[in-house]
Amino acid sequence: AQSVAQPEDQVNVAEGNPLTVKCTYSVSGNPYLFWYVQYPNRGLQFLLKYITGDNLVKGSYGFEAEFNKSQTSFHLKKPSALVSDSALYFCAVRDRGTDSWGKLQFGAGTQVVVTP
Amino acid sequence: NAGVTQTPKFRILKIGQSMTLQCTQDMNHNYMYWYRQDPGMGLKLIYYSVGAGITDKGEVPNGYNVSRSTTEDFPLRLELAAPSQTSVYFCASSYSPGEGTDTQYFGPGTRLTVL
Repeated sequence: AQSVAQPEDQVNVAEGNPLTVKCTYSVSGNPYLFWYVQYPNRGLQFLLKYITGDNLVKGSYGFEAEFNKSQTSFHLKKPSALVSDSALYFCAVRDRGTDSWGKLQFGAGTQVVVTP
Repeated sequence: NAGVTQTPKFRILKIGQSMTLQCTQDMNHNYMYWYRQDPGMGLKLIYYSVGAGITDKGEVPNGYNVSRSTTEDFPLRLELAAPSQTSVYFCASSYSPGEGTDTQYFGPGTRLTVL
């Protein structure tokens, strides 16, 4: 079984400050991990993913995420937040096993609010 | 490329009515998916398809049906609408599974209300 948790319903940050959105996961094997962003009344947009290799993954719009196997975490970060980063962020995971192909498990989402 | 398109954008149904949510992708993706999004619940997989003629149930399939007659189209059918099906529905697609190739691309969504 696979699951993902986003412990914060909402994160508030001032523009220019660092932004972190937390994600922890559980899979029986090794994970593929994803971050998506959803702007109001829009579909989800892919930000970045971890497949293998370097634990620090860089993605779109200046976001990055660090895979930590010992802590089973994949936190999303941005060094300097913008007001335009205000959106709903989803972490997703799936097991590398072949019977999990295509079956992403999404977290409940974290609302990010960046104030000017 | 239009990517993943969905119609309609909004719909209000009465209890017991039926409707089909349309989804089309022009990226030649083999895999297609239907999700529903409820507030605070993330996305739940309803059905998915690994190619034309092949579909399978996801996490919450009850009350829905799908078909996949072509690579491009993956319609979702609600036969007897119930208030519990009030939700936002997203269609997504991805390439064939391989090492990290299953990034999913989403449509803009259909907001459905059942009264």
